[in-house]
Amino acid sequence: ELKVEQNPLFLSMQEGKNYTIYCNYSTTSDRLYWYRQDPGKSLESLFVLLSNGAVKQEGRLMASLDTKARLSTLHITAAVHDLSATYFCAGYGGATNKLIFGTGTLLAVQP
Amino acid sequence: NAGVMQNPRHLVRRRGQEARLRCSPMKGHSHVYWYRQLPEEGLKFMVYLQKENIIDESGMPKERFSAEFPKEGPSILRIQQVVRGDSAAYFCASSPADRWSGGYTFGSGTRLTVV
Repeated sequence: ELKVEQNPLFLSMQEGKNYTIYCNYSTTSDRLYWYRQDPGKSLESLFVLLSNGAVKQEGRLMASLDTKARLSTLHITAAVHDLSATYFCAGYGGATNKLIFGTGTLLAVQP
Repeated sequence: NAGVMQNPRHLVRRRGQEARLRCSPMKGHSHVYWYRQLPEEGLKFMVYLQKENIIDESGMPKERFSAEFPKEGPSILRIQQVVRGDSAAYFCASSPADRWSGGYTFGSGTRLTVV
């Protein structure tokens, strides 16, 4: 069954800096999702990546997908405090193709 | 479109009581999924249902947990004889029949506390 691993699990950044969160998955997934979760809140869909080489950008966040390497990245440019949250990647897996989530990356942006 | 509605938002139960969590999918969505999130952890898949059918329950604990999605009304996740370890946030998500078109939409979750 699909396994999804993220790293790092925790990321403390200074405002204005750049960083990347990595998402590795174990078997083929037709698409890859990134979600954001604020403390005590639900999950907000950020990106869906549909094919190899896909790149999507929204504000200071950019997500990419390399299906050959089974790797997706979420790049943060010039971080601001509002980006502090937990970020999850997820892919479809299992016999019934349900979404399987990574462990999450807790991002804390310090002023 | 009201989105995925879960209730209650917060639920407190004593050990040994039953917990019932409700989920109404988005209008037009016929697939429902339940996930559990323990404190400081990720989301773990529990069960996938369509109307009147359990499609995949591979993530459900073998005992005390059950789920249904009747022809009429919301999906229900039921936990019998709750224990402290059941304390978690339970999220419901829904998707249309064509699951590739839009992915999942998540509800706000039910935070269960067992005292």
